[in-house]
Amino acid sequence: QQQVKQSPQSLIVQKGGISIINCAYENTAFDYFPWYQQFPGKGPALLIAIRPDVSEKKEGRFTISFNKSAKQFSLHIMDSQPGDSATYFCAASKENSGNTPLVFGKGTRLSVIA
Amino acid sequence: DAGVTQSPTHLIKTRGQQVTLRCSPISGHKSVSWYQQVLGQGPQFIFQYYEKEERGRGNFPDRFSARQFPNYSSELNVNALLLGDSALYLCASSWSPSSYEQYFGPGTRLTVT
Repeated sequence: QQQVKQSPQSLIVQKGGISIINCAYENTAFDYFPWYQQFPGKGPALLIAIRPDVSEKKEGRFTISFNKSAKQFSLHIMDSQPGDSATYFCAASKENSGNTPLVFGKGTRLSVIA
Repeated sequence: DAGVTQSPTHLIKTRGQQVTLRCSPISGHKSVSWYQQVLGQGPQFIFQYYEKEERGRGNFPDRFSARQFPNYSSELNVNALLLGDSALYLCASSWSPSSYEQYFGPGTRLTVT
């Protein structure tokens, strides 16, 4: 049973455009929702994260939108650049007896073309 | 400040062998987690350690074990390797086991032949 479902699997966006990646979760106990960016041969890098008490969080060109009733959240990358080409993972977590394991989606491969 | 470091970078092993992977957390971080990332998939949680004690375990067989040392570094051991163990093994560190923010190292690429 996949607890975090991510779409699309791959995405091609023109330079300067908006990239949108969506995730849906099942477990209502999740209370932390990060996005990670991974380049080939590297580990995932924490990009931005949100807690369920807010509906939107913005950091530079990256924005998370969160819909608690729909159990969905999304990443928006404004003014997408070729350097943003990477694989993006959404994740979710809840504290469980003193530990906070991340549950990841399957990833979205983003290609930004000039 | 150095980030999370892992060694070795790459490793090739034969089925049935045993492997040990190493991780040093960010300075000041006391909790280490291990994840397995199969090609084309998101990372999957294996273990979380804090103060040398296991705080959480994912759905992995007993062939997988880990430990944490007094300096907060950690080792992941995998016995009786199977072809399906081929993956990128990621270490993540955090201030404490209840800290949500986890920072990943570059990983160790394990290939089992």
